Amino acid sequence: SQQGEEDPQALSIQEGENATMNCSYKTSINNLQWYRQNSGRGLVHLILIRSNEREKHSGRLRVTLDTSKKSSSLLITASRAADTASYFCATPNFNKFYFGSGTKLNVKP
Amino acid sequence: DGGITQSPKYLFRKEGQNVTLSCEQNLNHDAMYWYRQDPGQGLRLIYYSQIVNDFQKGDIAEGYSVSREKKESFPLTVTSAQKNPTAFYLCASRVSYGQENEAFFGQGTRLTVV
Repeated sequence: SQQGEEDPQALSIQEGENATMNCSYKTSINNLQWYRQNSGRGLVHLILIRSNEREKHSGRLRVTLDTSKKSSSLLITASRAADTASYFCATPNFNKFYFGSGTKLNVKP
Repeated sequence: DGGITQSPKYLFRKEGQNVTLSCEQNLNHDAMYWYRQDPGQGLRLIYYSQIVNDFQKGDIAEGYSVSREKKESFPLTVTSAQKNPTAFYLCASRVSYGQENEAFFGQGTRLTVV
């Protein structure tokens, strides 16, 4: 029973375009985190947004959170081929830590 | 360098065998987690531990066992009772208190049944 579900499942764009991926979750949260996974590797933390925040920026990343809709979005601006990876949202739930199903992003050079 | 290390990177198991996947961290984290990832899928929680000598089942614990005898180590045994063990296994750790702590991941172990 995962907390988060991302969409789309896969996204293919050209270098320089923006990429937007969405995450929906099921229960109330303290914060929501986004992670990146390169093929065949572990996940790496990108950004955390607290439940009382609506938007957060980090470099080319912009995250929004709408707690009324139980949803978050991750925007990667001016994408690069090196951004090709899978992106997951994660929601801590007391002692557990749940991840969504991920969005596979392919940035074509 | 602080980090979390999984070994081996690739593991092959014969039908009916138990195998143990290693996970070691030197981040001084209390909480450790094991996840399973199937091709093109998300992460599913197998087991987690908040403190030494204590661990809890996640969503898919059947066919798996763990131990937490040391803070640094959280090995996962895939038993013969796990009928479909071929998958990518990820270990993670994080500071346990509070919920605003990021998880740190190892590089994974790819297990294949032969």
